[in-house]
Amino acid sequence: DTGVSQDPRHKITKRGQNVTFRCDPISEHNRLYWYRQTLGQGPEFLTYFQNEAQLEKSRLLSDRFSAERPKGSFSTLEIQRTEQGDSAMYLCASSSGTSRTLGYTFGSGTRLTVV
Amino acid sequence: DQQVKQNSPSLSVQEGRISILNCDYTNSMFDYFLWYKKYPAEGPTFLISISSIKDKNEDGRFTVFLNKSAKHLSLHIVPSQPGDSAVYFCAASLLTQGGSEKLVFGKGMKLTVNP
Repeated sequence: DTGVSQDPRHKITKRGQNVTFRCDPISEHNRLYWYRQTLGQGPEFLTYFQNEAQLEKSRLLSDRFSAERPKGSFSTLEIQRTEQGDSAMYLCASSSGTSRTLGYTFGSGTRLTVV
Repeated sequence: DQQVKQNSPSLSVQEGRISILNCDYTNSMFDYFLWYKKYPAEGPTFLISISSIKDKNEDGRFTVFLNKSAKHLSLHIVPSQPGDSAVYFCAASLLTQGGSEKLVFGKGMKLTVNP
């Protein structure tokens, strides 16, 4: 068990470019979450997958954002036409069964800077 | 509209003493509450949780107290150790219609334990 892996750790991009982040959850975890954290704030929910099905999306996830989890394993989060307001830490988390008593396992995040 | 509030941005205590971290919430639909700890450059790490039907949960040096009528919870760390120095997030869990166990986080509080 190597934990939740996220790649890249850091990404600097010019405004208007597209970026894609990858998350590899703990292998036996069927639930996968994406959160976004901006400076001075706690993580905010973006989207949730159970296996390969995307069951919930936050209103924070504009149509420039898309997430996939093909085959219920790794997940990708793509941001098209990036804006400076997209600069944040993007956190992936996974869990199996109920996360309410045991919590999610978070990855170390991908820090996005849009210049 | 912040549903989970951590009103104190920081706390400093001496090693061996008690650390008390507070959290308030507004949504009565939350049914689990969790505490996460975060070190720099790492994702949040689950610490302890409590169901809304309980008023106390203890795990080693960490105890969480819930006052449902006041919509208030607190995390006690006794005795505090320098390694406890981190940012602590209070989070509340909501089971959504989509079946996700979505977490709503507070802004976090930085705890410093001085040797």
